[in-house]
Amino acid sequence: KQEVTQIPAALSVPEGENLVLNCSFTDSAIYNLQWFRQDPGKGLTSLLLIQSSQREQTSGRLNASLDKSSGRSTLYIAASQPGDSATYLCAVNESGGYQKVTFGTGTKLQVIP
Amino acid sequence: DAGITQSPRYKITETGRQVTLMCHQTWSHSYMFWYRQDLGHGLRLIYYSAAADITDKGEVPDGYVVSRSKTENFPLTLESATRSQTSVYFCASIPGGFGPGTRLLVL
Repeated sequence: KQEVTQIPAALSVPEGENLVLNCSFTDSAIYNLQWFRQDPGKGLTSLLLIQSSQREQTSGRLNASLDKSSGRSTLYIAASQPGDSATYLCAVNESGGYQKVTFGTGTKLQVIP
Repeated sequence: DAGITQSPRYKITETGRQVTLMCHQTWSHSYMFWYRQDLGHGLRLIYYSAAADITDKGEVPDGYVVSRSKTENFPLTLESATRSQTSVYFCASIPGGFGPGTRLLVL
């Protein structure tokens, strides 16, 4: 059974700092990996989707990398801002079918002004 | 406004009562999902639907029932609520995204 782990569970950084969030998964036979943002009391917003054949994806100040062989993905946030404060979740899709998605428990990020 | 809406947003009920959580999408996306989010577990799939009148179980379906008579609606029913069903419930559609969630407390 696929297991997805995100460490640390919480992170606090000063504004302007570059930071890396980690996601690890136990079964490297994945279809894609997705990073989400969740604000308090809200649903999930998709940030980046990396297909299994890709190594990274970029959107603005966000860069996500994927290393299938080691079962790891990282989300890099450049020049963090207070508005980046949220919980970040990664989700691993094993089959391309939407029913085979395993979510991590998330990293709660606080960016201090 | 286009998107996914869930109702109610907050619900308190008692053990043994039947509760229905509503999910509505303004698009006509085929796939819809129900997840529950609990501390320490991440999001877990309860049920999903590939189209109207087609539903299937996810990882944690026990105690839940779904229906999909219309493409845009996907209600989730707790037949006899238990305290272990206290959770935050999210509905989602592909490729639309996630709804805002329903926070359910079972006393």
